[in-house]
Amino acid sequence: EAGVAQSPRYKIIEKRQSVAFWCNPISGHATLYWYQQILGQGPKLLIQFQNNGVVDDSQLPKDRFSAERLKGVDSTLKIQPAKLEDSAVYLCASSRLAGGLTGELFFGEGSRLTVL
Amino acid sequence: DQQVKQNSPSLSVQEGRISILNCDYTNSMFDYFLWYKKYPAEGPTFLISISSIKDKNEDGRFTVFLNKSAKHLSLHIVPSQPGDSAVYFCAASSGRGSQGNLIFGKGTKLSVKP
Repeated sequence: EAGVAQSPRYKIIEKRQSVAFWCNPISGHATLYWYQQILGQGPKLLIQFQNNGVVDDSQLPKDRFSAERLKGVDSTLKIQPAKLEDSAVYLCASSRLAGGLTGELFFGEGSRLTVL
Repeated sequence: DQQVKQNSPSLSVQEGRISILNCDYTNSMFDYFLWYKKYPAEGPTFLISISSIKDKNEDGRFTVFLNKSAKHLSLHIVPSQPGDSAVYFCAASSGRGSQGNLIFGKGTKLSVKP
């Protein structure tokens, strides 16, 4: 079974520029998550999708961050304009819809963003 | 306001001995707890979980203990192996159970020395 795919793995931009990250979840996983992990911190949820609908985006800074999940499969996370404090690893994760009794999320390798 | 706390940033253990990683939480609504393991440059991977209706769950060398009255859980690894060296994150969820938002701690870096 293929894992969660993310790209790019690394991105360096200057502040006020824009960046986009892409995620392809595990086939058949209805729930998709974007987490932000700042150095020395645990992952923090930015947005959760169920199929192509948003379940929770309460911690997404909507003035600069946006995300969409096309046709309930792939997802993109965009930051525009970027700030220095956006430097972090952006983790995409997916899980099965219902019946996922373990509560297990499957994470991708992450996209490391450096804002200069 | 940290709802999930891992107060030890690092832990060093000798190979073959027991590793004990601790986690405290503040939200009494949490009903599901998980441990994830993370190697450098990789995403976290699920290790073991426990529901609030249990106080212990075991999977091979890994055992998680839950003390609801103390709002404390711990992960025991016995015996520890050098390949266990990684960052371990404690996570908790509430309300929607396994599909709910996971709140993560800051992690504990475990080093197992040969």
